[in-house]
Amino acid sequence: DTEVTQTPKHLVMGMTNKKSLKCEQHMGHRAMYWYKQKAKKPPELMFVYSYEKLSINESVPSRFSPECPNSSLLNLHLHALQPEDSALYLCASTPVGGAGNTIYFGEGSWLTVV
Amino acid sequence: LAKTTQPISMDSYEGQEVNITCSHNNIATNDYITWYQQFPSQGPRFIIQGYKTKVTNEVASLFIPADRKSSTLSLPRVSLSDTAVYYCLVGRETGTASKLTFGTGTRLQVTL
Repeated sequence: DTEVTQTPKHLVMGMTNKKSLKCEQHMGHRAMYWYKQKAKKPPELMFVYSYEKLSINESVPSRFSPECPNSSLLNLHLHALQPEDSALYLCASTPVGGAGNTIYFGEGSWLTVV
Repeated sequence: LAKTTQPISMDSYEGQEVNITCSHNNIATNDYITWYQQFPSQGPRFIIQGYKTKVTNEVASLFIPADRKSSTLSLPRVSLSDTAVYYCLVGRETGTASKLTFGTGTRLQVTL
């Protein structure tokens, strides 16, 4: 199984809503990532978890709250978002250990904030 | 972290070989070079990875000169389905997790 699965594929939410994006992988990878991608732009790194602990936060606003409940799951909790937060949110994972890790990406969750 | 520079866009005809060059002047000794392909509305997909000299797999070749300050992704005989954005990444294992940051990417358009 070499897949990273993201749900939902599409999400529309109001600025006062609370919602969550979910990500799951069963490759035994101990590093998981959230990226944000706007149209015609490269993915931007948001968060990195290593062994279920947050290791990198790229100065992301607190309205985005990541969570890694176990080694296979990664969530991104969303609250009080702004329309400019509308984007494709990509989850990814890599094995930890050894140089030159290959990133495995999910298909992404399209988020629209209205 | 090494910053990467790629051409913004390239055009090619079907059946031609396409070479996309990435500049990474600040590459560190432990850094690897990895290329990804991304189609619209999909997550990036791994193409090829290398450290030095030449690497070849079933879809592409990667050429890395001795100074490792640049790399070239070579796609043989492209087809319409190779129209995508190609990203060059430089990164290393940090002991916990890799911090892999994307550059601007190269938008390849293949036509008949």
